Amino acid sequence: NAGVMQNPRHLVRRRGQEARLRCSPMKGHSHVYWYRQLPEEGLKFMVYLQKENIIDESGMPKERFSAEFPKEGPSILRIQQVVRGDSAAYFCASSPSEGAGELFFGEGSRLTVL
Amino acid sequence: GENVEQHPSTLSVQEGDSAVIKCTYSDSASNYFPWYKQELGKGPQLIIDIRSNVGEKKDQRIAVTLNKTAKHFSLHITETQPEDSAVYFCAAKAGGYQKVTFGIGTKLQVIP
Repeated sequence: NAGVMQNPRHLVRRRGQEARLRCSPMKGHSHVYWYRQLPEEGLKFMVYLQKENIIDESGMPKERFSAEFPKEGPSILRIQQVVRGDSAAYFCASSPSEGAGELFFGEGSRLTVL
Repeated sequence: GENVEQHPSTLSVQEGDSAVIKCTYSDSASNYFPWYKQELGKGPQLIIDIRSNVGEKKDQRIAVTLNKTAKHFSLHITETQPEDSAVYFCAAKAGGYQKVTFGIGTKLQVIP
């Protein structure tokens, strides 16, 4: 049973470009969470999605950032017009239900903005 | 919303000694408290968790305690080994469609 798959593992973008990060949850998991991790900082919640629904996007910046989890295919975190401050590791986690406690994390996508 | 505070931010112990990491939370509705270990370049992995109806839980060399009245919980690692060196995160979650809120992390170094 494959774990949470994130790609790309490393992404380099120039300022103003778009970054698109993908996350395939574990088989049977319909809940996906995105977290951002900056050096020397913890895991900052960004968005919580269930298939085709955004449950909680309270941690997502209002501009330039969006997330989706379509009925078919992976969850996607999109960052438009990237700036240097967007450089971070972005982690996706999945769980089988809203009541399940454990999150299963992917290996992360490391975004570098030049 | 929930706020989780964690300390210390860094911790160095000699191999074989014990390590203790402490966390506090703010939302009395939180009822699930997991601990994650993150090795360099990897995603966090759950190592132990505790629910609010339990005061203590142990799994081999690691144990977690919870004080709901004081809203704090702790991770204890005994007989530390070099492979325990990693960043440890505490977290808290309320029931239902609630996000998991993490502490800032503790970088543990076990010195051989």
